[in-house]
Amino acid sequence: GENVEQHPSTLSVQEGDSAVIKCTYSDSASNYFPWYKQELGKRPQLIIDIRSNVGEKKDQRIAVTLNKTAKHFSLHITETQPEDSAVYFCAASKGGGATNKLIFGTGTLLAVQP
Amino acid sequence: NAGVTQTPKFRILKIGQSMTLQCTQDMNHNYMYWYRQDPGMGLKLIYYSVGAGITDKGEVPNGYNVSRSTTEDFPLRLELAAPSQTSVYFCASSTPWDTQYFGPGTRLTVL
Repeated sequence: GENVEQHPSTLSVQEGDSAVIKCTYSDSASNYFPWYKQELGKRPQLIIDIRSNVGEKKDQRIAVTLNKTAKHFSLHITETQPEDSAVYFCAASKGGGATNKLIFGTGTLLAVQP
Repeated sequence: NAGVTQTPKFRILKIGQSMTLQCTQDMNHNYMYWYRQDPGMGLKLIYYSVGAGITDKGEVPNGYNVSRSTTEDFPLRLELAAPSQTSVYFCASSTPWDTQYFGPGTRLTVL
């Protein structure tokens, strides 16, 4: 089955710097890759997603890139702010398949230092 | 729309007790899921359902049961609670092609 690896497990940056989180997946049939942000004690919330027919997607300070050949995708946050501090999870699924099951990475704790 | 709602928010169980975690969605999503999240860890899929009357096991189904009698509701049953089931439980729903939307979670402690 699908396996998703996520790195790094913790990331500390200064306010205003960029942050990059990387994930690799194992199942070449996966075609949908969302990123979730989870603040302490809260539910995971979608921040951006990408489908396999697109190589990059951007939403203001957040971007995601996908390399289908290498089977990896990355989250880029520019001009980080203290409110970006949270745990970020990547996931992969065969969206539109029989189940649309998400397989999650283990998470990255991002700390933005003021 | 309320989205995905879960009850209770918190619960403490004694070893061997049973309980049902409730999950309801009002987005008319066919697909629903139950995850558990242990401290400092990612989410693990317990059970999922692609429609009323259809359920299947995820990665960590042992010790749990589910049913799906309506599109809206997807309760998770814990039988004979064990300390290893101490976790935060999230319910989610989706269409077949879109992202999953999560409920607020239920924090369960088994002592």
